[in-house]
Amino acid sequence: QKEVEQDPGPLSVPEGAIVSLNCTYSNSAFQYFMWYRQYSRKGPELLMYTYSSGNKEDGRFTAQVDKSSKYISLFIRDSQPSDSATYLCAMSAYDTGRRALTFGSGTRLQVQP
Amino acid sequence: GAVVSQHPSWVICKSGTSVKIECRSLDFQATTMFWYRQFPKQSLMLMATSNEGSKATYEQGVEKDKFLINHASLTLSTLTVTSAHPEDSSFYICSALTSGAETQYFGPGTRLLVL
Repeated sequence: QKEVEQDPGPLSVPEGAIVSLNCTYSNSAFQYFMWYRQYSRKGPELLMYTYSSGNKEDGRFTAQVDKSSKYISLFIRDSQPSDSATYLCAMSAYDTGRRALTFGSGTRLQVQP
Repeated sequence: GAVVSQHPSWVICKSGTSVKIECRSLDFQATTMFWYRQFPKQSLMLMATSNEGSKATYEQGVEKDKFLINHASLTLSTLTVTSAHPEDSSFYICSALTSGAETQYFGPGTRLLVL
């Protein structure tokens, strides 16, 4: 079983739709949760960063963490064609001394105009 | 935001040659840098963790003699792929972390093609 599970998609939605992206994890030591967006042939770009359960909002993006269920989500409101990319969840367990990120496999999102 | 650069952005080389990739943090000091490899349609796989002034820590299955990492300053880490082979062709991405922070900032990646 992978430490982080993420549906690879592809996920195709019409412009303006609300997008829900999810990851589950098995390692209870993970404390820091991030969402990255990666366009084709580019490095990942940090979108959201959270370390506590609950919601965090930034513009059209909302990150949600449920540590009791080991489940994190990223919601994109009013999706745009420019949001078409691969979205990667990532997590780290700082207190264990391991600061490297463990990534999900990425979900490919296509927003149709 | 923090900016990380990589050079070169792409490189083509012959089998058996060595290739050096540079990763620089442009506007902050990076105590720790990470090197990842990404194959097509796959996620990022950590290769090694590099702390300034000390030896890199390699992930299981990554040959340290083949992938030489040097982190000589707080703004520069290099990855040298020695005696490259076609199976080393991949997208290599670095990230940088500053002391006390948990957010990693990624470089734009280097695409390596070994013929």
